[in-house]
Amino acid sequence: KQEVTQIPAALSVPEGENLVLNCSFTDSAIYNLQWFRQDPGKGLTSLLLIQSSQREQTSGRLNASLDKSSGRSTLYIAASQPGDSATYLCAVRIDYKLSFGAGTTVTVRA
Amino acid sequence: NAGVTQTPKFQVLKTGQSMTLQCAQDMNHEYMSWYRQDPGMGLRLIHYSVGAGITDQGEVPNGYNVSRSTTEDFPLRLLSAAPSQTSVYFCASRQSGEKLFFGSGTQLSVL
Repeated sequence: KQEVTQIPAALSVPEGENLVLNCSFTDSAIYNLQWFRQDPGKGLTSLLLIQSSQREQTSGRLNASLDKSSGRSTLYIAASQPGDSATYLCAVRIDYKLSFGAGTTVTVRA
Repeated sequence: NAGVTQTPKFQVLKTGQSMTLQCAQDMNHEYMSWYRQDPGMGLRLIHYSVGAGITDQGEVPNGYNVSRSTTEDFPLRLLSAAPSQTSVYFCASRQSGEKLFFGSGTQLSVL
């Protein structure tokens, strides 16, 4: 069974600092990995999707890397803003199923 | 373009009652799925469908039924609600190999 772990569970940083969020998974035979953002009381929004053959994906201030062999992915958010405060979840896909981590809750202090 | 629409947003049931959570998408996605989200446990897959007429079980299927008669709709039925089914339920859809789109969720309480 695929286990997905996100550490830390919570993170608080001052505005402007770069954010580094970690995701690890136990089964490296993944099809792809996604990073999601969830605001309180809302659904999830996909931020970045990395296919298993890719090493990284970038969108604006966001960059996600994937090291499939070691079972790790990292989400970098540059120059954090208060609007980045949310819970970030990673999910790995094997076959038709996604397995999610429990998420990292980020607070960016103004 | 509404995306993924879930109804209702909130629901309170008594133990033993049945109900259906509705999910519809207007993006012509083949794949649809239901998750439940519980504090500290992330999202867990209940059931999924890879196309009309095709459904399969996820990680936590017991107590739930699904059907997929059209590409657009994927309802989730609770057969006999139990307090352990108190959770937030999310429906999601995607096209093959692409990003997953989520609905806004249904908060369900079973008393």
